[in-house]
Amino acid sequence: SYELTQPPSVSVSPGQTAVITCSGEKLGNKYVCWYQQRPGQSPVVVIYEDEKRPSGIPERFSGSNSGNTATLTISGTQATDEADYYCQAWDNSHVVFGGGTKLAVL
Amino acid sequence: QVQLVESGGGVVQPGRSLRLSCAASGFTFSSYSMHWVRQAPGRGLDWVAVVTYHGSDIYYGDSVRGRFTISRDNSKNTLFLQMNNLRVEDTAVYYCARGQNSGTTGSVAIWGQGTAVIVSS
Repeated sequence: SYELTQPPSVSVSPGQTAVITCSGEKLGNKYVCWYQQRPGQSPVVVIYEDEKRPSGIPERFSGSNSGNTATLTISGTQATDEADYYCQAWDNSHVVFGGGTKLAVL
Repeated sequence: QVQLVESGGGVVQPGRSLRLSCAASGFTFSSYSMHWVRQAPGRGLDWVAVVTYHGSDIYYGDSVRGRFTISRDNSKNTLFLQMNNLRVEDTAVYYCARGQNSGTTGSVAIWGQGTAVIVSS
């Protein structure tokens, strides 16, 4: 079955840029979505179709996808961005989630 | 506004059954695919199943196929998950979620608050 691999954790200083990667075989041929899950809350889409932001998501969130790697970039990271982030893609009509990355804003 | 409210969770013994429901409002339920996604304590997201807008296309995650059944009643704006032969490892918060569109593409766009299922003897 298809797998998506994320780093377990990423640390960033406030105001700096956080980069979270998601790797999968020929992932660039699929659309990737990214979800933010704050502690005790339900997930929220922050990026869909590789690079699109839903309404209400700050412009500091951006995404890209090429080759075997998709990337979520958070520019000017704020303390409120501290959360778990999950990538997601479809494979053969099945949803696949990455294992998640805990973003620490230190 | 869009609202998804899950119910039916609780404590159940291994091998028993449980049926979850999800009441949808604030959008045209019959126009969207619907998902169940679960999250075990301290773990990541685990996709359970999807049903397309008309109910005829259904797909399951490997860990639940053959034991769980997803269904929908478009006349009542309700999504269901019938869980049979439950195992300890099925313990999780179960989220009902609306797809981005009617089919098997796009994001898992909108999530409910979840209902907890605990499988324990």
